[in-house]
Amino acid sequence: NAGVTQTPKFQVLKTGQSMTLQCAQDMNHEYMSWYRQDPGMGLRLIHYSVGAGITDQGEVPNGYNVSRSTTEDFPLRLLSAAPSQTSVYFCASRTQGTGGTEAFFGQGTRLTVV
Amino acid sequence: GQNIDQPTEMTATEGAIVQINCTYQTSGFNGLFWYQQHAGEAPTFLSYNVLDGLEEKGRFSSFLSRSKGYSYLLLKELQMKDSASYLCAVRAYSGGGADGLTFGKGTHLIIQP
Repeated sequence: NAGVTQTPKFQVLKTGQSMTLQCAQDMNHEYMSWYRQDPGMGLRLIHYSVGAGITDQGEVPNGYNVSRSTTEDFPLRLLSAAPSQTSVYFCASRTQGTGGTEAFFGQGTRLTVV
Repeated sequence: GQNIDQPTEMTATEGAIVQINCTYQTSGFNGLFWYQQHAGEAPTFLSYNVLDGLEEKGRFSSFLSRSKGYSYLLLKELQMKDSASYLCAVRAYSGGGADGLTFGKGTHLIIQP
């Protein structure tokens, strides 16, 4: 069982470039989300999705787009990379609904924008 | 909005007990989670509380008081491998209906021999 898989693990971009961070889960989870983690800031929610075809913004959505065409995949697109987007990005998934359903995290993508 | 506070850093001795506190302010509360994160790795789930009281899982216990907006994570018989960041996270319903997870900034726990 692979769980949540993120690619790539490391990436260096030049300012203004675009790229897509991939996230896939094989647990049939309805809820998927993207976080960024910066020193001293903790994990902050970028975008989330409660199911295929449904997405919404989190705390820090500017500069990022998402889509959810299938239950399994939730890619995060950087439209025009900026140095402020240098961070570690985590994708997470869980079942929707009430109860103690914990989120499972991917291993992270370490992005540097120069 | 939500506000979650936890100490930035704590130091404890191998074999001892340490308590990491977390206070929060939120509406639409739907549970409190604790995650462990080793340097350079992803967060991993430790515990969940939605009702008041203590939940025990081996060497780790977590407590919740909803009326006080307060939780703590208790780690017993500390081992060197427990050196990590501990993240307090609150699940709450937003206006859109989905219950998202908001994290505190994490407590960096250092275990000394």
